[in-house]
Amino acid sequence: DAKTTQPPSMDCAEGRAANLPCNHSTISGNEYVYWYRQIHSQGPQYIIHGLKNNETNEMASLIITEDRKSSTLILPHATLRDTAVYYCIVRDFNQGGKLIFGQGTELSVKP
Amino acid sequence: ETGVTQTPRHLVMGMTNKKSLKCEQHLGHNAMYWYKQSAKKPLELMFVYSLEERVENNSVPSRFSPECPNSSHLFLHLHTLQPEDSALYLCASSQDSTGLNYEQYFGPGTRLTVT
Repeated sequence: DAKTTQPPSMDCAEGRAANLPCNHSTISGNEYVYWYRQIHSQGPQYIIHGLKNNETNEMASLIITEDRKSSTLILPHATLRDTAVYYCIVRDFNQGGKLIFGQGTELSVKP
Repeated sequence: ETGVTQTPRHLVMGMTNKKSLKCEQHLGHNAMYWYKQSAKKPLELMFVYSLEERVENNSVPSRFSPECPNSSHLFLHLHTLQPEDSALYLCASSQDSTGLNYEQYFGPGTRLTVT
């Protein structure tokens, strides 16, 4: 599976949009981009995934660049409860690829 | 509430003890997973079960022994652990272990301390 690169930490003001970037420059055509988050001392939580089109659900939006080498997870109105570590993962669905978690981005939402 | 429960939530055991961690999923999924998360480290996949068959074992020491009696239940049997095995042990499930239905849903974890 391709590797991803994320900033180790970010801050965001409560009520503002949180934009979390992820680089996956070696992504292949069969690899999806997945986002999970882990609130302190809890299990990871699935957020969203996509292949090449932008995706939106009740939690977030996923914007994938046209060349698919990077993506951005957007939390439109961050709350204090969104403070967590956010993981960007790429997975090859054709080969039963595992989810390989990296260090992620520690997002702190501040009042 | 993710539909995946784990018991116990906290466990302290000595190096000579034998204990078991339990995971149950109420989602009708076919695949279940064990992960280990040590302090300041990324999650590490330990085992994958699909339709009650073990399909992956990530070079995990034999002192960790998984069991999947049916698609809803997963156990991790522990014996003669070492202090470095202290970690958060997470269980997850997904509809499939391959293909597109792969979103994994995690339980809250068992915080294990080996003394």
